[in-house]
Amino acid sequence: AQTVTQSQPEMSVQEAETVTLSCTYDTSESDYYLFWYKQPPSRQMILVIRQEAYKQQNATENRFSVNFQKAAKSFSLKISDSQLGDAAMYFCAYRANFGNEKLTFGTGTRLTIIP
Amino acid sequence: SAVISQKPSRDICQRGTSLTIQCQVDSQVTMMFWYRQQPGQSLTLIATANQGSEATYESGFVIDKFPISRPNLTFSTLTVSNMSPEDSSIYLCSGREAGIYNEQFFGPGTRLTVL
Repeated sequence: AQTVTQSQPEMSVQEAETVTLSCTYDTSESDYYLFWYKQPPSRQMILVIRQEAYKQQNATENRFSVNFQKAAKSFSLKISDSQLGDAAMYFCAYRANFGNEKLTFGTGTRLTIIP
Repeated sequence: SAVISQKPSRDICQRGTSLTIQCQVDSQVTMMFWYRQQPGQSLTLIATANQGSEATYESGFVIDKFPISRPNLTFSTLTVSNMSPEDSSIYLCSGREAGIYNEQFFGPGTRLTVL
């Protein structure tokens, strides 16, 4: 079974600085997707960024980028120029590219932005 | 992306009663899912709601406790039956079009407290 691990329950960063959230996963599959979701206090889950396992190039979305290391099964999220609105729970998630394609989530990292 | 609404947004219920949560999507989706998020925890998949057939439950979740209906491609309900305080959680509905490139989006969740 696939597992997703986030080893940082809480992180904090000064506004305008850069922070990296860690995620590792375990799978025997070669074809899959990885995601970072953000859950602010409103509870609404928001997709931040997605990475296809077959792509070597790291995904980037504005201030958000990932460092995808397939051999190491590592998928970290870098947030540049942190803003107060980035404060939220961040969940790493995995989805295989077959079968019922369900999402498996990590335990989450609570990110605090210090003004 | 599609928009998902849930009713109720929150409820406080007595032990032994049942609550039905409604999930409405503003467009047709092939796949719908129900998740549970216990306080301070990650999301755990309860079941995949299948249109016109019985839901597919994950290990640890059973139909008698969490009956699910999905009469069409835009609507689903989850019932939490014979509730106990351990059922106090946020319940989230999620939907996705089939196809590996399609985003999975989430409703705002229903916060359930069982006394």
